[in-house]
Amino acid sequence: KQEVTQIPAALSVPEGENLVLNCSFTDSAIYNLQWFRQDPGKGLTSLLLIQSSQREQTSGRLNASLDKSSGRSTLYIAASQPGDSATYLCAVIEETSGSRLTFGEGTQLTVNP
Amino acid sequence: NAGVTQTPKFQVLKTGQSMTLQCAQDMNHEYMSWYRQDPGMGLRLIHYSVGAGITDQGEVPNGYNVSRSTTEDFPLRLLSAAPSQTSVYFCASSYSMRQGDIQYFGAGTRLSVL
Repeated sequence: KQEVTQIPAALSVPEGENLVLNCSFTDSAIYNLQWFRQDPGKGLTSLLLIQSSQREQTSGRLNASLDKSSGRSTLYIAASQPGDSATYLCAVIEETSGSRLTFGEGTQLTVNP
Repeated sequence: NAGVTQTPKFQVLKTGQSMTLQCAQDMNHEYMSWYRQDPGMGLRLIHYSVGAGITDQGEVPNGYNVSRSTTEDFPLRLLSAAPSQTSVYFCASSYSMRQGDIQYFGAGTRLSVL
């Protein structure tokens, strides 16, 4: 059974710092990996999607990498801002069950002014 | 476009009551799904649909029913609510489940069963 783990569970940083969030998964046979953002009391917003054949994706200050063979992904946030405060979730779609996302529990990020 | 719309936003039920959580999308997406989010458990898939008339079970389907009569709507029915079904429920949709398709989520329904 696929398991997705995110470390750390919570992170507090001062504004302006560069930071890395980690995601690992146990079964490397995945279609893609997605990073989501969830604000308190809100739904999930897709940030980046990395297909299994890709190594990284970038959007603005965000960069996500994927090492499928080792079962790892990182989300890099440059020059963090208080508005980046949220919970960040990663999720994978497996090759053998192409209709479902398996989520990690998320990293709760607080960026202090 | 409204995206994925879930109603109601909040609901309190008594044990044994039934209700339907509504989900609608206006993006002509084939794939729709329901997740529940619980502290310490993350998001878990309840049911999903790959198109009108086609549904299948996810990881935690017990106590829930779904149907997909139109492309736009995918309601989730609780037949006899139990306290264990207290959770936040999210509906999601995507054009398909191919490699490059982003999933769009609704704002959620917060359900308490007393």
